[in-house]
Amino acid sequence: DTAVSQTPKYLVTQMGNDKSIKCEQNLGHDTMYWYKQDSKKFLKIMFSYNNKELIINETVPNRFSPKSPDKAHLNLHINSLELGDSAVYFCASSQDSTGGAFFGQGTRLTVV
Amino acid sequence: EDQVTQSPEALRLQEGESSSLNCSYTVSGLRGLFWYRQDPGKGPEFLFTLYSAGEEKEKERLKATLTKKESFLHITAPKPEDSATYLCAVEGSSNTGKLIFGQGTTLQVKP
Repeated sequence: DTAVSQTPKYLVTQMGNDKSIKCEQNLGHDTMYWYKQDSKKFLKIMFSYNNKELIINETVPNRFSPKSPDKAHLNLHINSLELGDSAVYFCASSQDSTGGAFFGQGTRLTVV
Repeated sequence: EDQVTQSPEALRLQEGESSSLNCSYTVSGLRGLFWYRQDPGKGPEFLFTLYSAGEEKEKERLKATLTKKESFLHITAPKPEDSATYLCAVEGSSNTGKLIFGQGTTLQVKP
C-alpha cells in the first residue's frame, strides 16, 4: 500500500489555466505538507497542515491555495498558472508537526 | 537563518570504494537532522533522524553521524544500487515543522 500518494504524476498545462493536485496519506499522520522542488533539485516547503489547520504558510503567491478536507488529505490548487510554476511538487506527511516527513512520488508540473 | 550546505555536489565512486558525504548546518536550536535518499523521478525516501551531537545511526552500508556543526553520511563498500541523490535537512526550534534542505549530493557508484 502506498503511504503518501499524489495525483496526477505528470501535469502539462497552458499558462493562465487553473489546476489541482491531490494528496492522500494512509499512515494516520496528523501533519501534511506541500514542498516544491525546482530545476536545481532544491526542496522548499510551501505549506503545512496539522489536523486540517494551516500551520506553515511560506512566502508563496496567493495563486497557490491548499485545502485539507480531513487530516488524511491535502490538496493544492493553483490559479492562473505561470511559466515559473513549472517544478515538481511533493506532498509529505509526518506523525506530528515536528520530525522527519514521508514524501509522495511527486507531481511534475509543466506550464507551457 | 537556518541553513544547510552539502558537499560535494557530485561524487563518483567505484563499487566497494568507501567515502563520506558532508552536511554542514547552522540552526538555532536543532530539533533534528534528517537524511533522505532520492532516486530520479521519485520522492525523497527517509533514511535517518539524528537529534544530538555524538549520535550515530546505521542502515546496511550507510552510517550517519552528527556533530554540533555537521553531519556525515558514511557509505561503506557501496554498490551500484546506492547511486542516488542524498539530501540532508534540519529542523530548528525557530522553524518547528519546517525542514530546511541542502542542495543534495548526487552519488554515482560504478561497477
